[in-house]
Amino acid sequence: SHVLTQPPSVSVAPGKTARISCGGNNFGSNSVHWYQQRPGQAPVLVIHYNSDRPSGIPERFSGSKSGNTAALTISRVEAGDEADYYCQVWDISSDHPVFGGGTKLTVL
Amino acid sequence: QITLKESGPTLVKPTQTLTLTCTFSGFSLSTSGVSVGWIRQPPSRALEWLAVVYWDDDKRYNPSLKSRLTITKDTSRNQVVITVTNMDPVDTATYFCAHNDISVAGAPFDFWGPGALVTVSS
Repeated sequence: SHVLTQPPSVSVAPGKTARISCGGNNFGSNSVHWYQQRPGQAPVLVIHYNSDRPSGIPERFSGSKSGNTAALTISRVEAGDEADYYCQVWDISSDHPVFGGGTKLTVL
Repeated sequence: QITLKESGPTLVKPTQTLTLTCTFSGFSLSTSGVSVGWIRQPPSRALEWLAVVYWDDDKRYNPSLKSRLTITKDTSRNQVVITVTNMDPVDTATYFCAHNDISVAGAPFDFWGPGALVTVSS
């Protein structure tokens, strides 16, 4: 089944660009989705289908996928972006969703 | 506007069965492609998918927990219920329900409830 690997933490200064990676063992044609989770809150979908932004998500958030690596990029990082970020795919072979281990984004 | 909310006990004893209810609005679980899933998160740990029920009453379970999980839907009441048997302190977690629409393959969980913290302790 699918395994998604994320770095435990990423640190970035305000105004800079943060990149969070998500490594898969067999992405294939599976779409990657990204969620932001602030402390004490439910996850919020910030990128779906690899690179599309849901309504209401700032343009500063972007996503990409190449081969077996996906990435979430946050430009012009703000203090409010400090949160945990999770990638997720739907494992077609086992027909269930899989989440990455999460990355804590710290804004310095 | 789609909303979901989890409800149930905040404290259960080891070996007991946990029953949580997800009450939703803004969509119908009788609409083709719609599903509701349960995801949990132990304190300071990652998200873990538990189960999903589809509009046609098809169900999928996390293989590692399948023997302990049951998910059901009540379309008329706009509710989805999950039961977890033989609860253990390691099952202490915030339990979320979330909406999913598989009209497009591999769709995300686009709307989430606020979560319900369940503590397992004697």
